[in-house]
Amino acid sequence: SQTIHQWPATLVQPVGSPLSLECTVEGTSNPNLYWYRQAAGRGLQLLFYSVGIGQISSEVPQNLSASRPQDRQFILSSKKLLLSDSGFYLCAWSPRRLAGADGETQYFGPGTRLLVL
Amino acid sequence: EDQVTQSPEALRLQEGESSSLNCSYTVSGLRGLFWYRQDPGKGPEFLFTLYSAGEEKEKERLKATLTKKESFLHITAPKPEDSATYLCAVRGQAGTALIFGKGTTLSVSS
Repeated sequence: SQTIHQWPATLVQPVGSPLSLECTVEGTSNPNLYWYRQAAGRGLQLLFYSVGIGQISSEVPQNLSASRPQDRQFILSSKKLLLSDSGFYLCAWSPRRLAGADGETQYFGPGTRLLVL
Repeated sequence: EDQVTQSPEALRLQEGESSSLNCSYTVSGLRGLFWYRQDPGKGPEFLFTLYSAGEEKEKERLKATLTKKESFLHITAPKPEDSATYLCAVRGQAGTALIFGKGTTLSVSS
């Protein structure tokens, strides 16, 4: 069966510090990978998605970047955190097929809660 | 613009008291409507995918239905362990992103 991991689970960082959140998937090959942010009182918002190593698409302009150095690893980064970057960050995967295709159900990881002070 | 609205925002039920959660959507070319359950501090857990009007899916005490404008998540004889936030999302023709509603927080008391 497939398993998705995220770490750290919780992170408190000062404004202006760098960020690196990691997501790995087990039990599948060539997954589509996604980063979402869930802010208090708001719905989940897609930040980035990837259909393969080194292939990253950004959905919204922001202070964050993403990378996919290995097939089942997805990293979310920032060089300088802002207060507005606080939130609950969720990684998700879906089976390999054209991203956005019918039948593409996304499965979420446990999340990382980030607090920027 | 694709949009999802869930109602009510919060729902309190007694154990065994059946009810329904609503998800209204506007999307250009529906390519899937998704229901998830989210417990506090955890990632969403997948429940159902619906594709076309008239489709229904069931899992234990939950049943999801779909029309051309909305979806309902019916919960029959709920138990306290059904307490969670239920999220609805849609994907349209436009792209990859799932468009999520803000969720309905369900509390079931014994």
